[in-house]
Amino acid sequence: DTEVTQTPKHLVMGMTNKKSLKCEQHMGHRAMYWYKQKAKKPPELMFVYSYEKLSINESVPSRFSPECPNSSLLNLHLHALQPEDSALYLCASSRGLAGELFFGEGSRLTVL
Amino acid sequence: AQSVTQLGSHVSVSEGALVLLRCNYSSSVPPYLFWYVQYPNQGLQLLLKYTTGATLVKGINGFEAEFKKSETSFHLTKPSAHMSDAAEYFCAVTLPEVGNQFYFGTGTSLTVIP
Repeated sequence: DTEVTQTPKHLVMGMTNKKSLKCEQHMGHRAMYWYKQKAKKPPELMFVYSYEKLSINESVPSRFSPECPNSSLLNLHLHALQPEDSALYLCASSRGLAGELFFGEGSRLTVL
Repeated sequence: AQSVTQLGSHVSVSEGALVLLRCNYSSSVPPYLFWYVQYPNQGLQLLLKYTTGATLVKGINGFEAEFKKSETSFHLTKPSAHMSDAAEYFCAVTLPEVGNQFYFGTGTSLTVIP
């Protein structure tokens, strides 16, 4: 099983809503990542969890709140987002510190 | 700081022609190098990677890339383009000692002309 599964695939929310994006992997990877990707741009790193601990936070606004309940799951809680936060949110995992990233299909977020 | 440069944000080739996508990096230590492909509305898929050993690496879908330390390059090639190769391609670098931090190039959009 070499998959990273993300749900939902599409999400539309208003600026006052609270929603969550979910990511799951069963490859035994101990590093998990959230990336944000705008159209025709490379992914931008948001957060890195290593061994279930937040190791990198790339100065992301507090309206994005990550959570890693266990080694297989990664959540991204969303609250009071802005229209400019509309993007493809990608989850990824890796075996070790410098192993290749395995990406999920992404969650397409639209903020109205 | 590390950086990755992909020359040519858009590349067009005829079906059956050679595909060459360029990637140069800057790094003070030997990096690990990757090429990813992204089809519309999908995540990124690993095409190939270089970590150590043989500098010519083969990947999926007939792609290959050669690590040239003297030129700090890791160009992606495919002898004969197929219509299904049309996609966005990203070169990425990570440092084995640091890890957990991937540096992506700006991407190259490949169009294949029938």
